[in-house]
Amino acid sequence: DAGVTQSPTHLIKTRGQQVTLRCSPKSGHDTVSWYQQALGQGPQFIFQYYEEEERQRGNFPDRFSGHQFPNYSSELNVNALLLGDSALYLCASSLEGGRAHEQYFGPGTRLTVT
Amino acid sequence: GEDVEQSLFLSVREGDSSVINCTYTDSSSTYLYWYKQEPGAGLQLLTYIFSNMDMKQDQRLTVLLNKKDKHLSLRIADTQTGDSAIYFCADFPTDSWGKLQFGAGTQVVVTP
Repeated sequence: DAGVTQSPTHLIKTRGQQVTLRCSPKSGHDTVSWYQQALGQGPQFIFQYYEEEERQRGNFPDRFSGHQFPNYSSELNVNALLLGDSALYLCASSLEGGRAHEQYFGPGTRLTVT
Repeated sequence: GEDVEQSLFLSVREGDSSVINCTYTDSSSTYLYWYKQEPGAGLQLLTYIFSNMDMKQDQRLTVLLNKKDKHLSLRIADTQTGDSAIYFCADFPTDSWGKLQFGAGTQVVVTP
């Protein structure tokens, strides 16, 4: 049973560039959430995708956008990167309905903005 | 806004019990969670408790919930060196649509 996978593992970008991060949910899951974890902090909710639509969004600017594909995989896009966007980006998947509260996390993508 | 707070550090001897504490403010939280994060890794769901329960036991893990005081704790029995990690408390408010709210994490260091 494949767990949540994310790619790439590490990424280095320059300020002002754009980045795309990818996530494949755990087998059988249909909902994907993205979190940003800055160094020494807990994860902060960015947004959640279900049925290919953004369902809820945290306090992140419009530079952060996403997409969910028919196979439930998801992308997180960040435009006009700032130094403060350096963080571990975590994807979590869950199954809508009675098990929606069980979120399983991937290993994350470490983004460094220079 | 809603907050989840944890103590930042805990040192424990191997074989002893560890107790990690957490407080939350959102009274609508339906579930409360404990996640474990090892260095360079993602979050591992350890256990969770439904808000109408007081206690949940799962092998070496015991979760206690005091809903009146909005206090959650995780007890790890017979702590091992492999338990060294950062432990995050999180809550799941009723209207959150899956938005978990995390504390800043408690770093647990297990010494031989």
